[in-house]
Amino acid sequence: AQTVTQSQPEMSVQEAETVTLSCTYDTSENNYYLFWYKQPPSRQMILVIRQEAYKQQNATENRFSVNFQKAAKSFSLKISDSQLGDTAMYFCAFMKHSSRTSGSRLTFGEGTQLTVNP
Amino acid sequence: DAGVTQSPTHLIKTRGQQVTLRCSPKSGHDTVSWYQQALGQGPQFIFQYYEEEERQRGNFPDRFSGHQFPNYSSELNVNALLLGDSALYLCASSFGKFYEQYFGPGTRLTVT
Repeated sequence: AQTVTQSQPEMSVQEAETVTLSCTYDTSENNYYLFWYKQPPSRQMILVIRQEAYKQQNATENRFSVNFQKAAKSFSLKISDSQLGDTAMYFCAFMKHSSRTSGSRLTFGEGTQLTVNP
Repeated sequence: DAGVTQSPTHLIKTRGQQVTLRCSPKSGHDTVSWYQQALGQGPQFIFQYYEEEERQRGNFPDRFSGHQFPNYSSELNVNALLLGDSALYLCASSFGKFYEQYFGPGTRLTVT
């Protein structure tokens, strides 16, 4: 079974600054995906960024980037130029490589509440 | 392009009752997953449906059951409700690329 751990229940950052959220995971799988999801007060779970384990290059999406350390089983999210709209709960999630017929599931961490202050 | 929709938005039930939650996947999607998110916690996987069959199931009792219809929409049924079933229930859909799951806004269930 896979586990995902987020050790920072809450974090805050000033607008325009950079913040890094931490995530570690445990798995015996070699082929898998890692995700960061954002859940604002509206409750809608929104995909922020995805990393395929077989790719050595860290994923980047505009102001969001990850630091994927496969050997250390670490997957942190860096948010640059933080904006007020980034205030949300952020979840790290794991999914092992699968198929439509065998099914797939996301395993989530407990989340980190990020507050961006003006 | 309609996203994932869920109904109802909020629901209040009494212990012991039964509840049905509904999910319509994003247009073109054929796979539906259900997650339970207790207050202050991360979502927990309940089960996933594809081609009207349950493909995977999480660690939830048999009181939790589901169904997928030919139009790919899905229902989550919970029998003999417990106080601990109070949570946000999230539906997610996908097509082809199983790792791309799109979430709906959720149904907030309160059991009193």
